[in-house]
Formats: sequence, structure tokens, C-alpha cells
Amino acid sequence: QVQLVQSGAEVKKPGASVKVSCKASGYTFTSYNINWVRQATGRGLEWMGWMNPNSGNTGYAQKFQGRVTMTTNTSISTAYLELSSLRSEDTAVYYCARGLLGLRRAGLVGYWGQGTLVTVSS
Amino acid sequence: EIVVTQSPATLSVSPGERATLSCRATQSVSSNLAWYQQKPGQAPRLLIFGASTRATGIPARFSGSGSGTEFTLTISSLQSEDFAVYYCQQYENWPFTFGPGTKVDIK
Repeated sequence: QVQLVQSGAEVKKPGASVKVSCKASGYTFTSYNINWVRQATGRGLEWMGWMNPNSGNTGYAQKFQGRVTMTTNTSISTAYLELSSLRSEDTAVYYCARGLLGLRRAGLVGYWGQGTLVTVSS
Repeated sequence: EIVVTQSPATLSVSPGERATLSCRATQSVSSNLAWYQQKPGQAPRLLIFGASTRATGIPARFSGSGSGTEFTLTISSLQSEDFAVYYCQQYENWPFTFGPGTKVDIK
């Protein structure tokens, strides 16, 4: 079955960077987009961007441009989200989510990781 | 950027009753609209995509309709496990924005 297992919680200081991993299993990793979505405590879902693991193409929400990098290591079926210049407003649960329709329709996700809490605090 | 809004913010419903949730986009997203359910402490779960297609394993009491800018999620007879927050999301144009959510709670 499809599984996305994310790395553990992180505590970072303002200005630092964080890198969250998402290990996929149960499907062909390069055949489905990976999206990243975050959710601050008690708030709604915020789409951050997507990556095509086959081509390496990415698309980031403008809000995060310049601070976010999405990468993959196809040899270990793992996707990564790196967010730099962290501020308190970045405190949230970060989810990876697999595309539903293969490499088509980036943004439509059918499977989610368990989430990784990133806390930014001095 | 397409802005997605949802109404109402909170919907109080008795078990067994029908719930109707609305979602609106600021420009046409064709049928590229999905609905997700999220329970406390859990990741979201896909319910509906293509505005009206149920995802695998989703009960028939969940149905979606609409196209263009106006969409509806209907839960025909609420079960106890349906009390949750529901989000709609457009995936027509990047960034693939979510609505702010509708919380369905017990009346």
C-alpha cells in the first residue's frame, strides 16, 4: 500500500533552515508528483509547491519563492522540503502528499504523510 | 492567484441529517476542484476530485457537484465519523489554493 513516512519534529531558531524528508513506498516513486502543504496550529491548509520526481521540475507558491527548495533522491524514494530564513510564522505541521493522477494535475493529492511539526522559536 | 472561499465557516448538524457545504472560486476552475476531510490530529483525506468523483473507498453518502466557480459538497446522512473540517481546493491553476474550511460539528 502507498505510504509516505516523514521525518520527526524539529525545533529551529529564527533565521535558521529546516529540511523535512518524506520517504515513499508502495508505488513507483518517479511516476507521481509530490506536493508540500503546511498547516499552522488551528489554521487551514496552505499549499507550498510541487515537484515532479521524474523530471525534477518544481513549482513553488510565490509566497515561498526564494526560501523554499524541493528536491528528491530517487534512489531511496525520498522527497525533501527545505525552508530557509525561518520565522515564527513558519511554525506549522508540514505535510508531503502524493499526486493522485500520476504526473498529471499537479496539486491534486491522494495520499498524505503523517506530517512533521516544525517549531520556530528563539 | 485564485482565491477559494467556503461557507459556512461552521455547520451544526444532527446525526442523520443532511449537510450542504459550499465552495466558491474567484475565477473558473472548470471541474478541477477537490474536497478533503480532516479530523483533529490527522492528515487530510481526499473525498472528491473532479468536482464530483468520489475517491477510492469514500462512502456514497458523500457527493460533489458544480463547475466553474461554484461547488457543493453534500453529505446525505451524517454519521458520527463525519464530524470534521472540510476543505475544498482548486487545482486548475498554480498556486493550488485551498479554501479556509468548513467545520461540521454536532448540533
